[in-house]
Amino acid sequence: DGGITQSPKYLFRKEGQNVTLSCEQNLNHDAMYWYRQDPGQGLRLIYYSQIVNDFQKGDIAEGYSVSREKKESFPLTVTSAQKNPTAFYLCASTRTVSSGNTIYFGEGSWLTVV
Amino acid sequence: EDKVVQSPLSLVVHEGDTVTLNCSYEVTNFRSLLWYKQEKKAPTFLFMLTSSGIEKKSGRLSSILDKKELFSILNITATQTGDSAVYLCAPLPGGGADGLTFGKGTHLIIQP
Repeated sequence: DGGITQSPKYLFRKEGQNVTLSCEQNLNHDAMYWYRQDPGQGLRLIYYSQIVNDFQKGDIAEGYSVSREKKESFPLTVTSAQKNPTAFYLCASTRTVSSGNTIYFGEGSWLTVV
Repeated sequence: EDKVVQSPLSLVVHEGDTVTLNCSYEVTNFRSLLWYKQEKKAPTFLFMLTSSGIEKKSGRLSSILDKKELFSILNITATQTGDSAVYLCAPLPGGGADGLTFGKGTHLIIQP
């Protein structure tokens, strides 16, 4: 079945460490997105990519980095520069432009800094 | 400046009540407006609205879009405790130029 797979589902990080969250989709979608969600809050856009080897900053990109070397994969690295990384992270994808499809979400990753 | 504004941000009602959730938006090259329901995990899809004035219905939920006023509403009739969730809207842009921005959501609580 097609879908988006995020891993790990739960992750604990020590302060000062970088961690990478994986996002893989087999939907042949061009566009992929990373969102952060804090308790009781909405989704805030971190980074997005419309095409391989290209990505743009969202509203809260500071302290994060991404890569898009393959169409199926859009990993997110939470760097030590992110001061308050404890949150729920969601990866999403869509087909771009012509078809106006809905958004598909992964199951999310819970990151906790200890 | 927010591109997507949802209201109210939170709402507490009793079972059986009807609620209306609001979403106003501003996006370049608008294509569709999406509504999602989020409980304790990833959001689940409710509606995609592309044309003005055409109501979409799914059981007790319905939604409509006004492309002239850049506005959408989500109605839930005869609410049940299982409707308790955060409801999110997002304008889907065509052209691929913009990121996909969600509103902050409406946190709906249905009391028995």
